[in-house]
Amino acid sequence: DSGVTQTPKHLITATGQRVTLRCSPRSGDLSVYWYQQSLDQGLQFLIQYYNGEERAKGNILERFSAQQFPDLHSELNLSSLELGDSALYFCASSPYSASTGELFFGEGSRLTVL
Amino acid sequence: AQKVTQAQTEISVVEKEDVTLDCVYETRDTTYYLFWYKQPPSGELVFLIRRNSFDEQNEISGRYSWNFQKSTSSFNFTITASQVVDSAVYFCALRGFPSNTGKLIFGQGTTLQVKP
Repeated sequence: DSGVTQTPKHLITATGQRVTLRCSPRSGDLSVYWYQQSLDQGLQFLIQYYNGEERAKGNILERFSAQQFPDLHSELNLSSLELGDSALYFCASSPYSASTGELFFGEGSRLTVL
Repeated sequence: AQKVTQAQTEISVVEKEDVTLDCVYETRDTTYYLFWYKQPPSGELVFLIRRNSFDEQNEISGRYSWNFQKSTSSFNFTITASQVVDSAVYFCALRGFPSNTGKLIFGQGTTLQVKP
């Protein structure tokens, strides 16, 4: 158990819809990272938040947005969903903004868009 | 730009065989960190090892060993006497330093199937 909690574990929705994925980092970790794992794209970095502020941005679509709340949990919002958004979305956490150690990953949220 | 290449998409071996998973990286940073993660069929990402660029000593942990060679920008992972439970997707990852972010750059992963 990494200590990172993600909900929901599975989500099935239709094209055009909007969903919110939630992540609670390990106790004491200030940084949260979001990754997307699809079959043809591998593990792609989406975005990082540190203590409530955006710290780094990757290949995140404009239809996607994220935020980190004062209690340090984070949400990833995916809107106007398309079939290609079906993927496993991982959240990870680390103690600092630029930690040198490993990232601790949650079990992922599997999104299926029909 | 930073990049990690895992050229082997899929590897299939029979139990008890040794298998090596290749990882080649690109970075302009003189200091960097390399990682291996395992993703079993259940889907979670499990951390295996971290190595910094100044430590080229090979590491062994049970049946697992890692060979880091800066001269060839490689960080290969060997499983000795493979077991069915080793079946998983294995990812190599890179982080440069210093950096304002702790994000990891992942390779595409290698799917290892160990047959009984």
